[in-house]
Amino acid sequence: GAGVSQSPSNKVTEKGKDVELRCDPISGHTALYWYRQRLGQGLEFLIYFQGNSAPDKSGLPSDRFSAERTGESVSTLTIQRTQQEDSAVYLCASSLGALRRDGLPNTEAFFGQGTRLTVV
Amino acid sequence: DAKTTQPPSMDCAEGRAANLPCNHSTISGNEYVYWYRQIHSQGPQYIIHGLKNNETNEMASLIITEDRKSSTLILPHATLRDTAVYYCIVRLMIKAAGNKLTFGGGTRVLVKP
Repeated sequence: GAGVSQSPSNKVTEKGKDVELRCDPISGHTALYWYRQRLGQGLEFLIYFQGNSAPDKSGLPSDRFSAERTGESVSTLTIQRTQQEDSAVYLCASSLGALRRDGLPNTEAFFGQGTRLTVV
Repeated sequence: DAKTTQPPSMDCAEGRAANLPCNHSTISGNEYVYWYRQIHSQGPQYIIHGLKNNETNEMASLIITEDRKSSTLILPHATLRDTAVYYCIVRLMIKAAGNKLTFGGGTRVLVKP
């Protein structure tokens, strides 16, 4: 596709329910990131996938949060037993990878428009 | 990744240059300086990046001090559409460290007519 696609764009859920957020990265991008952005705040790193390497889960706030990615394609972020403090915009980004084939770093991460999650 | 310090906000007159400072005094030799911006209700957008040389592209210029402890993003002719939060990020670019971007608070830039 032309860019990073996220779905749904908006999600309202009841406290305690599970939600799944989807990210379709740009084709050929080996790296994929999830971020969370609470209202009026900066971006909070959640998790990073790079090819077949073990994901960097260091930003996941609790064990209610998990993410999967199959190969270099779609990723899903799952939040179990949602709480009101989970309300935020969840942003996904993809990039070519840590290093280009010529050994120089790649240039940029492309972000999707995000999923606005509201837990009521 | 090294921590960055940016002013929380600044105003700029339309048509004038906007100079956005960033301090990264603990930057290491294999960390690059990246700038992203986030326009309201959109995902962040890459602007420019550099290691030690000054860089310029169609969006902006990046001036990095010789000691690499600070940098300035220059928007040469600010327009109302440049109103956004601008994030300065320093980022390890070795394969083992991956490509994680760590965002700070950024500078909220308001371009006024």
